[in-house]
Amino acid sequence: SQQGEEDPQALSIQEGENATMNCSYKTSINNLQWYRQNSGRGLVHLILIRSNEREKHSGRLRVTLDTSKKSSSLLITASRAADTASYFCATVLQTGANNLFFGTGTRLTVIP
Amino acid sequence: SQTIHQWPATLVQPVGSPLSLECTVEGTSNPNLYWYRQAAGRGLQLLFYSVGIGQISSEVPQNLSASRPQDRQFILSSKKLLLSDSGFYLCAWRDWGVSEQYFGPGTRLTVT
Repeated sequence: SQQGEEDPQALSIQEGENATMNCSYKTSINNLQWYRQNSGRGLVHLILIRSNEREKHSGRLRVTLDTSKKSSSLLITASRAADTASYFCATVLQTGANNLFFGTGTRLTVIP
Repeated sequence: SQTIHQWPATLVQPVGSPLSLECTVEGTSNPNLYWYRQAAGRGLQLLFYSVGIGQISSEVPQNLSASRPQDRQFILSSKKLLLSDSGFYLCAWRDWGVSEQYFGPGTRLTVT
């Protein structure tokens, strides 16, 4: 299965600290995306990084991609209580129907 | 701007009863449409996707079916629900040529 694995499964930090989540996948990709899900809600797209990119920033988010290791990381800097959510990576394969394959997610809790 | 609607938000159905979940998208034409299921505390599993009216692709064998009777309408159905059909069902769409997907608020289905 192409479905990614995320690490850690759960993360609890204090407000103001940085949060790092990791994602590993198995097959060559076209791009990798990160999504956020608040409890019981739909997913929200955060950021997309293409296979020829190594790092991308969006506000307090920083994503890295290492295609040689088939891994990505999401860093949230200066975390806020409102960042509490589940975060999922999703890959789009190089070939196929441009569908997303989701990881298992990291549950982030930011303590005020 | 584009909007995606899903209903109902929650549903409790007995085993053996039929199911119909509806998803509609506004503000775009000829979107790619997706149905996902999310088990408690897990990632998303792609169930069906559609690239156009009447065109449905199934990713996994199951007790469910999907239809796309209109360009921006996607319906998930079952003739007889199983206990294992319980879960959180999410509809999503994307435009042609881009990878990012946009999700609806989801339907929580409990089969009793």
